[in-house]
Amino acid sequence: DADVTQTPRNRITKTGKRIMLECSQTKGHDRMYWYRQDPGLGLQLIYYSFDVKDINKGEISDGYSVSRQAQAKFSLSLESAIPNQTALYFCATSPGEDTQYFGPGTRLTVL
Amino acid sequence: DQQVKQNSPSLSVQEGRISILNCDYTNSMFDYFLWYKKYPAEGPTFLISISSIKDKNEDGRFTVFLNKSAKHLSLHIVPSQPGDSAVYFCAAPDRDDKIIFGKGTRLHILP
Repeated sequence: DADVTQTPRNRITKTGKRIMLECSQTKGHDRMYWYRQDPGLGLQLIYYSFDVKDINKGEISDGYSVSRQAQAKFSLSLESAIPNQTALYFCATSPGEDTQYFGPGTRLTVL
Repeated sequence: DQQVKQNSPSLSVQEGRISILNCDYTNSMFDYFLWYKKYPAEGPTFLISISSIKDKNEDGRFTVFLNKSAKHLSLHIVPSQPGDSAVYFCAAPDRDDKIIFGKGTRLHILP
C-alpha cells in the first residue's frame, strides 16, 4: 500500500465550483505539504503544516485553503475554482528537515 | 527570485553514456541539497542528497558533485539507462525547512 495517497487522482470541474483534494499518509510524519506543478515551472509550494495545529502559507496560497484534520490528513480546497488553477497537485510528507515523500498527484482541470 | 535554478529544460543522452544535470543556487546558507526524479503520472521520488560540507556523494550509478564557491551542483548518471528517462528536480531546504525546488530538467535517454 502507498504511504502517501491522494484522492481524487483526476478531476474535471467548472469555473466557480468548490473543490477539495485530499491527502492521507501512513508514514507517521508530522510535516505535510501541498504543491502545484505547472509545465516549465517546477513545483510551487501552496501551503504546509508542521503539525496538526500549524498551517503556513507557501509561495502561491491565494485562491487556496487547507485543513489539517489529523496528523495523517491534509486537505486542499479551492473555494471557487478558476481555469488557471488547472495543474497537477502533489501532497508530500516529511519527518523533519529532511527528504519529502510525495503522493502520486491529482490532475485537476478547471473548465 | 529563484534560489534554485535548473537552466536546461531538457537533455538528451545516448544510452550507456554519462548524463550530467546541472543546478545553480543563490543562497549560500543552504545546508544540503537534494535531487528528485519524477516519472509521468507519478509523484517525485527522492534520489540522492549532499551535505554542504561535502563535495561529492555517490550512490551506485548516481553521483552528485557540489562546488560551493561556484554555487553549483551537478548530478552524474553513468552509465545512463532507458529507465533514467524522467524529469529531475534539484532542491534545497531553506531556513524555514521548506524545500525550494528548481524547475526541473527532462532527461531523455536515447537508444
